[in-house]
Amino acid sequence: KQEVTQIPAALSVPEGENLVLNCSFTDSAIYNLQWFRQDPGKGLTSLLLIQSSQREQTSGRLNASLDKSSGRSTLYIAASQPGDSATYLCAVRRSLAGSGNTGKLIFGQGTTLQVKP
Amino acid sequence: NAGVTQTPKFQVLKTGQSMTLQCAQDMNHNSMYWYRQDPGMGLRLIYYSASEGTTDKGEVPNGYNVSRLNKREFSLRLESAAPSQTSVYFCASSKGGGMRQPQHFGDGTRLSIL
Repeated sequence: KQEVTQIPAALSVPEGENLVLNCSFTDSAIYNLQWFRQDPGKGLTSLLLIQSSQREQTSGRLNASLDKSSGRSTLYIAASQPGDSATYLCAVRRSLAGSGNTGKLIFGQGTTLQVKP
Repeated sequence: NAGVTQTPKFQVLKTGQSMTLQCAQDMNHNSMYWYRQDPGMGLRLIYYSASEGTTDKGEVPNGYNVSRLNKREFSLRLESAAPSQTSVYFCASSKGGGMRQPQHFGDGTRLSIL
């Protein structure tokens, strides 16, 4: 059974710091991995999607990496800002070979980030 | 762009009442999903619809039914609400069968069952 873990559960950093959020998964047979941001009382906003054949994806100050063999992904946030404060979720999609559910995402429980001015 | 729209945003029900949560997307996506989010449990898939006319069970389907009314709309029904169904419900959609495309989420429906 695929399990997704995010450590730490919460993180507080001063503004301007570069930071890394971690995501690990137990079954390397994934199709892709998606990083989301969730603001309090809101839905999920898709940040980056990495296909299993890719090593990383970048969008602005965000860079996500994927190491399937070790079951790990990281989300790097450069020059953090107070507006980056939110909960960050990673989710993996199971591969066709390993599952009959083609579109199913399995989520970690998130890392809540606070960036202090 | 509206994206994925969920109604209502908040609802309080009594045990045993029924309710339908509505979801509509305007992105011409084929696949739609219903998740619930609970503290300590993360998001879990209730039902999904890979394409118009099809639905399938996710991880936690018991106590729920769904209808893919057309390509735009995917509703979730609680026939007899129970306190264990108190949760935040999210609808999502994706362009294709889901494997290579990102999922886009609505803002959620916060449901309390008394």
